[in-house]
Amino acid sequence: SQKIEQNSEALNIQEGKTATLTCNYTNYSPAYLQWYRQDPGRGPVFLLLIRENEKEKRKERLKVTFDTTLKQSLFHITASQPADSATYLCALPRSYGQNFVFGPGTRLSVLP
Amino acid sequence: NAGVTQTPKFRVLKTGQSMTLLCAQDMNHEYMYWYRQDPGMGLRLIHYSVGEGTTAKGEVPDGYNVSRLKKQNFLLGLESAAPSQTSVYFCATRRRGRNIQYFGAGTRLSVL
Repeated sequence: SQKIEQNSEALNIQEGKTATLTCNYTNYSPAYLQWYRQDPGRGPVFLLLIRENEKEKRKERLKVTFDTTLKQSLFHITASQPADSATYLCALPRSYGQNFVFGPGTRLSVLP
Repeated sequence: NAGVTQTPKFRVLKTGQSMTLLCAQDMNHEYMYWYRQDPGMGLRLIHYSVGEGTTAKGEVPDGYNVSRLKKQNFLLGLESAAPSQTSVYFCATRRRGRNIQYFGAGTRLSVL
C-alpha cells in the first residue's frame, strides 16, 4: 500500500536557521507532491505543490525539492521565525480515485 | 465568503449514541472529503465525494456513513459511536481539475 513517512515527529531549531523537513514515500510514483501547514486547533492550509518534472520550487522563504529516484521531498524554511512554528504535512495524490494520502506531519518549533 | 464550515466544533457522546457532522462549502467545489486526525497518524480519509449524489469509501470507512444530497453539503454520520471514534474530524473541498484542498476548522469529538 502507498505509505508516507516524515522524518521526525518534532523538530526544534533556533530562530534565523534553516529548517529542513523530509517526506519519504513508498510503493508509489506520484505525479506531484504537496506541503501543508497546520496550526494548533486549525485545519491544514496549502503551501506548495511540486510536480514530478520539477526538481525545485520556491515561494518566499520556502523551498521544496522532489527527488523521484529517492522517492523523497525536502521542505526548507530559510531564516526561520517563531511564527513558522507549526505542524507541516506532506500529501500525495493516490494512484486511484480522486483522493490523497497524508504523512503524519512534523511539528516544527522555532525558538527565539 | 466563509469557505468551508464545519458544525459542530465540539461534541461529547456516550458510547452507542449517534450524531451527524455537517460540512458546508460556498466555493462551488465538486469534491469533498472527510478525514479523521489522530496523534501520530496524520490525516486518514474516511469517505469522499466527487459530486452531488455520489460517495466513495476511503481508507477507514467502518462505523461511518455519508451523504451528499446537495453540492454544498457533505454529511458524516456515526450511527453507534464507539470510543475508538474519538478524534478530530476535518472536512476538505477541492475544485475539479485543481489539486489544492481547502480544509474546515475541524470538529473535536469525544466518545465516552
